Amino acid sequence: GAVVSQHPSWVICKSGTSVKIECRSLDFQATTMFWYRQFPKQSLMLMATSNEGSKATYEQGVEKDKFLINHASLTLSTLTVTSAHPEDSSFYICSARSGYGETQYFGPGTRLLVL
Amino acid sequence: SQQGEEDPQALSIQEGENATMNCSYKTSINNLQWYRQNSGRGLVHLILIRSNEREKHSGRLRVTLDTSKKSSSLLITASRAADTASYFCAELFSNFNKFYFGSGTKLNVKP
Repeated sequence: GAVVSQHPSWVICKSGTSVKIECRSLDFQATTMFWYRQFPKQSLMLMATSNEGSKATYEQGVEKDKFLINHASLTLSTLTVTSAHPEDSSFYICSARSGYGETQYFGPGTRLLVL
Repeated sequence: SQQGEEDPQALSIQEGENATMNCSYKTSINNLQWYRQNSGRGLVHLILIRSNEREKHSGRLRVTLDTSKKSSSLLITASRAADTASYFCAELFSNFNKFYFGSGTKLNVKP
């Protein structure tokens, strides 16, 4: 089956630094990738939808300049948390789908802790 | 708000009993999907039901969909302790460009 990887799986950083999270589709071409954030004991909140070769579409309340998303190729999307603060500490999960496929393939998630 | 409602928020049952979780969604969907998440881990896809389907089965799972009420239910029969997890429904918009999760049900199956 289709596999989506995320790297890193864990990251701890100091407040004010930027962190880049990669999401890769390993055996299919992902025309669309979604980025989610999940706080403890809560559901997944969609942050943005990323289509290959175009700008990401951000959900209301998500700061574009804070969470930079790049989907430069059909197998890679990156999320950069700029000038991270402790309140950005969360579990970040990406998903990918090919073409107009119905199935979303989820990455294993990246846990970010900002000190 | 993105999230549809799921109820109950938490459910505690004995092993062997059935567990039913309900999901209400907000949009015109292409399909609705159910996922399981063990504590602090990634998502496991359970089942997908399309907007033109009313019921679907997969092993011990049974999913129903009522598009007139914008609701779905997930039934887990003969539950096991290993079923303990959080369960989420997720709606794929008709335009395929958004995929929103419900608020989730935390299921605890006691051995």
